[in-house]
Amino acid sequence: GENVEQHPSTLSVQEGDSAVIKCTYSDSASNYFPWYKQELGKRPQLIIDIRSNVGEKKDQRIAVTLNKTAKHFSLHITETQPEDSAVYFCAASIGPGGGNKLTFGTGTQLKVEL
Amino acid sequence: GAVVSQHPSRVICKSGTSVKIECRSLDFQATTMFWYRQFPKQSLMLMATSNEGSKATYEQGVEKDKFLINHASLTLSTLTVTSAHPEDSSFYICSARDLGTSPDTQYFGPGTRLTVL
Repeated sequence: GENVEQHPSTLSVQEGDSAVIKCTYSDSASNYFPWYKQELGKRPQLIIDIRSNVGEKKDQRIAVTLNKTAKHFSLHITETQPEDSAVYFCAASIGPGGGNKLTFGTGTQLKVEL
Repeated sequence: GAVVSQHPSRVICKSGTSVKIECRSLDFQATTMFWYRQFPKQSLMLMATSNEGSKATYEQGVEKDKFLINHASLTLSTLTVTSAHPEDSSFYICSARDLGTSPDTQYFGPGTRLTVL
């Protein structure tokens, strides 16, 4: 089955700096890659996603890049703010033939310090 | 965006009892819902795929007789933890896809914190 690895497990940045989180996946059939933000005790919130027919997607301070050949994708957050502090999960899925099941990475605890 | 609710948000029960958790899609119909389990400071692990009108599909290692799933309508899936034991204590989260707007995207419920004494 699909395996998703995520690095780093913890990331501490100064407010205003950029943060980058990287993920790799194993199944070349995966075609959908969402990123979720989860605050302590809360539900995962979708922040951005990308499909395999696109190499890059941007939404204000957040961007995601995808390299299908290397099977890795990354989350970029610019001008970080304290409210960006949370756990971020990447995920991969194959759909619809793969059932659209999400396989999650292990998570990155991002801390934005003042 | 699509809204998914879960009830209860928190439950404490005695060992040996059964607990039912409800997952509802509030503003869309969901033929498929997913149930996850999350331990503290860990990732989400898919337990099963809940299919409206048919049997759930369980992931390897998940006991289907232990975690009963029913998806009787297009807006409701239930997870029943039978004969709960302390090791079943966890954060259970459901998700659903809104096929009408974004077929790939899964929207998550707020989760249910289960504590088994």
